[in-house]
Amino acid sequence: SQTIHQWPATLVQPVGSPLSLECTVEGTSNPNLYWYRQAAGRGLQLLFYSVGIGQISSEVPQNLSASRPQDRQFILSSKKLLLSDSGFYLCAWTPWTGGDTEAFFGQGTRLTVV
Amino acid sequence: QKEVEQDPGPLSVPEGAIVSLNCTYSNSAFQYFMWYRQYSRKGPELLMYTYSSGNKEDGRFTAQVDKSSKYISLFIRDSQPSDSATYLCAMSLSGGTSYGKLTFGQGTILTVHP
Repeated sequence: SQTIHQWPATLVQPVGSPLSLECTVEGTSNPNLYWYRQAAGRGLQLLFYSVGIGQISSEVPQNLSASRPQDRQFILSSKKLLLSDSGFYLCAWTPWTGGDTEAFFGQGTRLTVV
Repeated sequence: QKEVEQDPGPLSVPEGAIVSLNCTYSNSAFQYFMWYRQYSRKGPELLMYTYSSGNKEDGRFTAQVDKSSKYISLFIRDSQPSDSATYLCAMSLSGGTSYGKLTFGQGTILTVHP
């Protein structure tokens, strides 16, 4: 069966510090991968998605970047965090074959920038 | 105007009540409609997944989609305290990576008290 892992679960970082959040998927090949952010009192907003290694599409302009160095690994990064980067970051995946399918979410990383 | 509007609540009901949750949307190109349940500090989990207009039932949950009115609903019968969570509506276009490129409502916080 497929599983998705995100770490760390909780992170407190000072303003101006770098960020690296990691997401890995097990039990599938060539998944489509997604990063979402959930700000307090708001719904989830898609930040990035990837259809393959090295292929990243950005949905909103921001202080963050994403990379996909391996087939089942998706990384969210920032060189200098802002207070507004605080939020709940969720990684998700869908099968590459498409068709009617749901998006499977990880358990998220709660980031607080202080 | 947001693409997807959802009343954030909070909604508090007694155990056994019928709960009605709703979302409206503005993009007529949306083809897939979903309801996710999110417990505090956890990732969302899919409850219902529908394509096009109509009803879909799964146990105590019924999802309705009215594309002509751009309106979707989730009904929970015989609500239980374990149903207490945030309920997120989500929708997407069709095809490929669109299945994971979801547009979410803000989420409705539901509390079912014994």
